[in-house]
Amino acid sequence: EDQVTQSPEALRLQEGESSSLNCSYTVSGLRGLFWYRQDPGKGPEFLFTLYSAGEEKEKERLKATLTKKESFLHITAPKPEDSATYLCAVQEVNQAGTALIFGKGTTLSVSS
Amino acid sequence: DTGVSQNPRHKITKRGQNVTFRCDPISEHNRLYWYRQTLGQGPEFLTYFQNEAQLEKSRLLSDRFSAERPKGSFSTLEIQRTEQGDSAMYLCASTTNPNTGELFFGEGSRLTVL
Repeated sequence: EDQVTQSPEALRLQEGESSSLNCSYTVSGLRGLFWYRQDPGKGPEFLFTLYSAGEEKEKERLKATLTKKESFLHITAPKPEDSATYLCAVQEVNQAGTALIFGKGTTLSVSS
Repeated sequence: DTGVSQNPRHKITKRGQNVTFRCDPISEHNRLYWYRQTLGQGPEFLTYFQNEAQLEKSRLLSDRFSAERPKGSFSTLEIQRTEQGDSAMYLCASTTNPNTGELFFGEGSRLTVL
């Protein structure tokens, strides 16, 4: 049973067409939720950390939000350079400092 | 560039051969992780080091896998008697503060087992 589920698996947008990616999690106690970006053939690149429900973080065209059961990554007016796979990961309360549990990711393609 | 460096970037080997990957973390990062990623999947945790001590290993890490970080700097991941199911991208990451979830990943070492 997956502890981190991301949807959709793939998303195609036109440049400027805003949308959201979803990450739902089923861990007993959430210590932190993290968003990463991964370009083809590269390692993941850290974007955000969210610790508690209601928290929001922003970076350029990206905004991450957190509820008690899911997180959203909102992409406002995306550009082709935002095309990448976006990974969500969680850390459980009893696993502080150790493994992050990753979802399978959402592959975003933005066309001009 | 002072990012995480991994070598080799690509390795093609025949089933049954041994392979070794090296990771050079960002200087002064005392926490180092190994993850494995297959196509269409997210990274899966394998093991991590705090300085030279290996503190946790995943159940995914069979007896054929061994990792070391002898002086608390670079790390090696060795796979003995490779199998086709070992084909994957092996990612190394380092950090100074694991509680933030901010890991700095290398570009990975891609293994293909024929």
